[in-house]
Amino acid sequence: AQKVTQAQTEISVVEKEDVTLDCVYETRDTTYYLFWYKQPPSGELVFLIRRNSFDEQNEISGRYSWNFQKSTSSFNFTITASQVVDSAVYFCALSEYTDGGAQKLVFGQGTRLTINP
Amino acid sequence: DVKVTQSSRYLVKRTGEKVFLECVQDMDHENMFWYRQDPGLGLRLIYFSYDVKMKEKGDIPEGYSVSREKKERFSLILESASTNQTSMYLCASSLWARGRRTEAFFGQGTRLTVV
Repeated sequence: AQKVTQAQTEISVVEKEDVTLDCVYETRDTTYYLFWYKQPPSGELVFLIRRNSFDEQNEISGRYSWNFQKSTSSFNFTITASQVVDSAVYFCALSEYTDGGAQKLVFGQGTRLTINP
Repeated sequence: DVKVTQSSRYLVKRTGEKVFLECVQDMDHENMFWYRQDPGLGLRLIYFSYDVKMKEKGDIPEGYSVSREKKERFSLILESASTNQTSMYLCASSLWARGRRTEAFFGQGTRLTVV
C-alpha cells in the first residue's frame, strides 16, 4: 500500500536558519504525484507544490525549495532564511489511484515547524 | 480562487447524537473528500466521492457515512456520535483529471467535540 513517512514530528529553529523537512514515500505505481501542504494555525491546508514522478528537477520558489530523489523515494522540503510566519504544520502527500480508478491523497503524519524570533 | 466551505468551525455534540458536517465547493470539482486529522496521525481519509451519488470508503470509514446529492455538496454523517470521534474534520475537493493528478483544495476544518 502507498505510504508517506515524515519522521520529524517537531522541529524548532531560530529565525533566519535554514530548515529541511523530510518526506519518504512508498508506492507501487510507476506514475504518481507528490505534494506539500502547509497548515498554519488557522487550520486550512494550503497547497505549496505538486511534482510528478517523471520530473526529478529540483524546484525553487523564493525561500522554498524541493528536492525530489526517486532513487531514495524522498521528496524533501527546505526553507531558507526561515521566518516566524513559516511556523506551521507541513504535510507531505502522495497520490494514489483506487481500484475504481478514482484518485485520492495519502498524507504523512505532518511536521510541526516552529520558528523562534 | 477555489473555495471550499465547511458549515461549522466548531461543534459540540453529545454521545449518541446524529451529526451532520456539511461541505460546499464552488469550482465544479468532481472529487470531494472527508479527512480526519488527529495529532501524530496526520490526515486519514474517511470517505471520498468522485461523482454525484458515487462514493468510496477511505481508510477509516467505520462509524461514518456520506451523502452527495449535488456536485457541489458533500456531507459527512456520524450516525451515533461517540467520544472517539472527537477530532478535526477537513473537507477537500479536486478536479477529476484521468492521467493527471491535481491538487486538492481544503476547507477551514470543523473541530468536533463529542461529550
